[in-house]
Amino acid sequence: DIQMTQSPSSVSASIGDRVTLTCRASQDINRWLAWFQQKPGKAPKLLIYAASNLQSGVPSRFSGSGSGTDFTLTISSLQPEDFATYYCQQADSFPRTFGQGTKVEIK
Amino acid sequence: QVLLVESGGGVVQPGRSLRLSCAASGFIFSDFPMHWVRQAPGKGLDWVGVVSADGNIKYYGDSVKGRFTISRDNSKKTLYLQMNSLRGEDTAVYHCVSALTYAVYFDNWGQGTLVTVSS
Repeated sequence: DIQMTQSPSSVSASIGDRVTLTCRASQDINRWLAWFQQKPGKAPKLLIYAASNLQSGVPSRFSGSGSGTDFTLTISSLQPEDFATYYCQQADSFPRTFGQGTKVEIK
Repeated sequence: QVLLVESGGGVVQPGRSLRLSCAASGFIFSDFPMHWVRQAPGKGLDWVGVVSADGNIKYYGDSVKGRFTISRDNSKKTLYLQMNSLRGEDTAVYHCVSALTYAVYFDNWGQGTLVTVSS
């Protein structure tokens, strides 16, 4: 199974900060990677697919990059509604696997 | 728009069975694979399994293999999860998820149904 490792596990940031989250796959997954945002009590929401494609309706301050084993999610200017937990997930093979999540908190 | 509505959750004793359902609307259900993803209280996301668009191909996560079965009824636009031999560690919110984007990416999620396994 492909293991997905996210870092950091949590980050404290202020409104307007640039925030970068990292996800590493245990083997090459090309660009078969998605990023999700989850707020408490809500279902996850797809932000980025195929490593860098912005899902329809997602603000352009979110961007994704990477290929192979190393990926990043960047929020260019953190907004109040962005405080949440973010998960990466590989879509290269079964079983699908998620990272353990990164919680973005208010500093 | 796409709507996924799960039902069937509740409290069940260890070793017993439960069947979840997911009613889908807003897309051509029979054209796309469907997944179940669960989340234990306070924990991360755990992929349960997938069924192909025609229902013939299924894959499962290691933690549920041999105990859970995914099926679908395309005429009713409904996805099912049959859960047998339930354990305490199966306690979670279970989400039905569609994969419309490239038939791969989890682009629409139901609100989830809570399954609690407890004596």
